[in-house]
Amino acid sequence: DAKTTQPNSMESNEEEPVHLPCNHSTISGTDYIHWYRQLPSQGPEYVIHGLTSNVNNRMASLAIAEDRKSSTLILHRATLRDAAVYYCILRVNAGNNRKLIWGLGTSLAVNP
Amino acid sequence: DGGITQSPKYLFRKEGQNVTLSCEQNLNHDAMYWYRQDPGQGLRLIYYSQIVNDFQKGDIAEGYSVSREKKESFPLTVTSAQKNPTAFYLCASRVAHNTGELFFGEGSRLTVL
Repeated sequence: DAKTTQPNSMESNEEEPVHLPCNHSTISGTDYIHWYRQLPSQGPEYVIHGLTSNVNNRMASLAIAEDRKSSTLILHRATLRDAAVYYCILRVNAGNNRKLIWGLGTSLAVNP
Repeated sequence: DGGITQSPKYLFRKEGQNVTLSCEQNLNHDAMYWYRQDPGQGLRLIYYSQIVNDFQKGDIAEGYSVSREKKESFPLTVTSAQKNPTAFYLCASRVAHNTGELFFGEGSRLTVL
C-alpha cells in the first residue's frame, strides 16, 4: 500500500501561517490526498482533499507538488483552536473499493 | 444538531468478557465505519456497512462483530477472541460508501484489565 510520511510534531505561533508537509512518494495516479485533523479527546474531522491541483477551502489550502510525491497543508493564520494532530491520508483504489491509508500524523502546537 | 454519538466514552472490562460499543447517527448517512486507533499507528478499519443489513470486514476484523439493523445504528462488539482489545475506538459515517467526507464520533476508550 502507498503510504504517507509526516513530521511527528511542529510548532507555530498564533496568527502566523503554518505549513504542514507530507511525503507520499509511492502515490499512484488515481490516489487522492486527504487531510483530517484530530483535536484532543475528539474524533478526526475533515479538512481538505485534492488530486492534482491546489485546493482552497474555508479551513485551509492544499498545495500538491507537480510530481504529486509530496503535498503541504497550509493554515493561513493559526489560532489556538488549531492545535491538533493533522493526518495526511491517501485514498487508494482497492478493487471496487476506495481505501483510506492513514499516516501517523503531525502534532501541531500553537503558541499564544 | 446532526452528528454521531458514541457511548460509552470510557469502558473498563475484565479479560474474557465481550463488550458492545454503541454508535448512533442522525445524519441520514448510508455508510458507517468502525476504526481502531492505537498509539504510534494510523487509524485501522475494523468493519464497515454500506447499507442497512449489510456489512463488510475491514483490515482488522478478527475478534470483532457488528450489526446494522437500523440505518442510524452500527454497534461494535469486541469479543473475547480479540487478543489485544485495549484501544480507542472511533465510529464514522458518510453519505455513501466511497463518497464524501467522513464524520466521526468522539470515540470510546476501552481498557481491558
